[in-house]
Amino acid sequence: DQQVKQNSPSLSVQEGRISILNCDYTNSMFDYFLWYKKYPAEGPTFLISISSIKDKNEDGRFTVFLNKSAKHLSLHIVPSQPGDSAVYFCAASALGQGAQKLVFGQGTRLTINP
Amino acid sequence: DSGVTQTPKHLITATGQRVTLRCSPRSGDLSVYWYQQSLDQGLQFLIQYYNGEERAKGNILERFSAQQFPDLHSELNLSSLELGDSALYFCASSFRSGGGAVQETQYFGPGTRLLVL
Repeated sequence: DQQVKQNSPSLSVQEGRISILNCDYTNSMFDYFLWYKKYPAEGPTFLISISSIKDKNEDGRFTVFLNKSAKHLSLHIVPSQPGDSAVYFCAASALGQGAQKLVFGQGTRLTINP
Repeated sequence: DSGVTQTPKHLITATGQRVTLRCSPRSGDLSVYWYQQSLDQGLQFLIQYYNGEERAKGNILERFSAQQFPDLHSELNLSSLELGDSALYFCASSFRSGGGAVQETQYFGPGTRLLVL
């Protein structure tokens, strides 16, 4: 039962263009969503998050959009740079459980081509 | 650098053995989380400790246990190891428990790569 899904295992984008990574979730209790970037042999690095009370959050080149009715979120990176090449994980959690478990998607490998 | 440290970086052991993975959270963080990343399962939540007490459990096997010490570092103990336990084990930390009115961002360590032969 995969509650968070990233349906594209890989994505290739030209340097300078926009990268759009997608994530779908099934659990309507999720109310906090995060994106992490992971390089080989390193731990996931936090990029950006969004609460369910918002539909957009922006931080520099990174913007996350949340569509609650569709249970869908996306990460936009613009402009894409070679250093953005990594695996990107979408994660979700739910408030009110006295704890915080992150549920991760399977990841999307982003390759930025010069 | 997230500020979360994990030791050892690599660990090779045999089936049936027991190992201990160590994690030090970011300075000031009270919560420690353990995750397992295997090839076919992705990142899976195992267990959370907050200020020395177990707060949440995920898909953690009975052969695995964890604890958080008074200095807030945490150890994950894996016993009776099987080939399928080979994976990356990540520790993450956050300031609060995440169960209140505010969600917490978790910051991850570099991981321990465990290989069971």
